[in-house]
Amino acid sequence: SQQGEEDPQALSIQEGENATMNCSYKTSINNLQWYRQNSGRGLVHLILIRSNEREKHSGRLRVTLDTSKKSSSLLITASRAADTASYFCATARGETSGSRLTFGEGTQLTVNP
Amino acid sequence: GAVVSQHPSRVICKSGTSVKIECRSLDFQATTMFWYRQFPKKSLMLMATSNEGSKATYEQGVEKDKFLINHASLTLSTLTVTSAHPEDSSFYICSAPGGQGRSNQPQHFGDGTRLSIL
Repeated sequence: SQQGEEDPQALSIQEGENATMNCSYKTSINNLQWYRQNSGRGLVHLILIRSNEREKHSGRLRVTLDTSKKSSSLLITASRAADTASYFCATARGETSGSRLTFGEGTQLTVNP
Repeated sequence: GAVVSQHPSRVICKSGTSVKIECRSLDFQATTMFWYRQFPKKSLMLMATSNEGSKATYEQGVEKDKFLINHASLTLSTLTVTSAHPEDSSFYICSAPGGQGRSNQPQHFGDGTRLSIL
């Protein structure tokens, strides 16, 4: 069963605006990962944040992790129409990359041109 | 970078047919691969963990006789949906861990297979 919850379930913004998506989880984790999925396609890895990290940046992406609240957020700045996709957080409990991931329910982001 | 190839991308077939889906790691070895099922506008549900050289580990509620998994080599895992019925119609995605087992590495996903059973 999925342990993660994401909010909002759907988000619609204008190009140039920032988009923030939140993720909560229930158990202890080793790392938390964010993935993007275009409609009808596989998942693309965006960013991984370890349990001992609080914030991480990659280009226009900023991820925060609060292990005390068991929550994470993904911020996309200066959004573009091409950012339209579903975004999923996933938690890994084990250390190795072979550890299974537990996915959140996802946020459908629509960026209007 | 690491690439996972999944084939076919789309299958439409009659009820009762068995369908095989392949997942290949193209430039790295994967002793473990994962198979997921995704319903429309829903999240990924882990079906099973494919292990090279040993039996697959199935998640609770997933019928192992229905969804046969074979990890034939260090670069290939297959999922066979046996005697498929309309309720098996779904989007199936595989993934393989990156980083050769090192810690804190992402997984690499195939592009998915859209299975439609008539």
